Amino acid sequence: GNSVTQMEGPVTLSEEAFLTINCTYTATGYPSLFWYVQYPGEGLQLLLKATKADDKGSNKGFEATYRKETTSFHLEKGSVQVSDSAVYFCALSNNAGNMLTFGGGTRLMVKP
Amino acid sequence: GAVVSQHPSWVICKSGTSVKIECRSLDFQATTMFWYRQFPKQSLMLMATSNEGSKATYEQGVEKDKFLINHASLTLSTLTVTSAHPEDSSFYICSANSAGGREQYFGPGTRLTVT
Repeated sequence: GNSVTQMEGPVTLSEEAFLTINCTYTATGYPSLFWYVQYPGEGLQLLLKATKADDKGSNKGFEATYRKETTSFHLEKGSVQVSDSAVYFCALSNNAGNMLTFGGGTRLMVKP
Repeated sequence: GAVVSQHPSWVICKSGTSVKIECRSLDFQATTMFWYRQFPKQSLMLMATSNEGSKATYEQGVEKDKFLINHASLTLSTLTVTSAHPEDSSFYICSANSAGGREQYFGPGTRLTVT
């Protein structure tokens, strides 16, 4: 079956530090890959996505590249801000029903 | 575009009562809606998938008689937690996608507390 594994948090960084949150997956075929962000007390918001190998998704300074050879979709940002503090979920979808399989989530805390 | 709302955003109820949570797609027709449950500091657990006009498909381990899902129109799905107990306290999140769409749009979630 499908599975998504993310690095456990919390990840604590100082403002303007470089961020990497690792995500690897197991799936059949060619899944679409997503990163979602959840701010405290809110639902999930799509941050970025990639639908085929070597695609790079990017948004708000975040980016992730679909690496089929390493089955990875690591999230990166060059300079984090306090407002980036949230929980980040990696997810995949590879069926017509568009069901998502989520990783466990990684909490990011950015200190000023 | 692609906005999904949930109502209420939070609810407190007494043990033994039932609670209904609404999920609406505001600017698109949602042929499929999903209901998730999220425990504190944990990931989302898919509870069920519902298609407009048909019975919901529940994930293994989810009691369909306890968590009643109705998807009566292309813009509305409801989740009713029947005979709620404190262990049902959780954050319930819905999502929706349109016909042929490959992206799910999430609602803001409903926090249920059963006392």
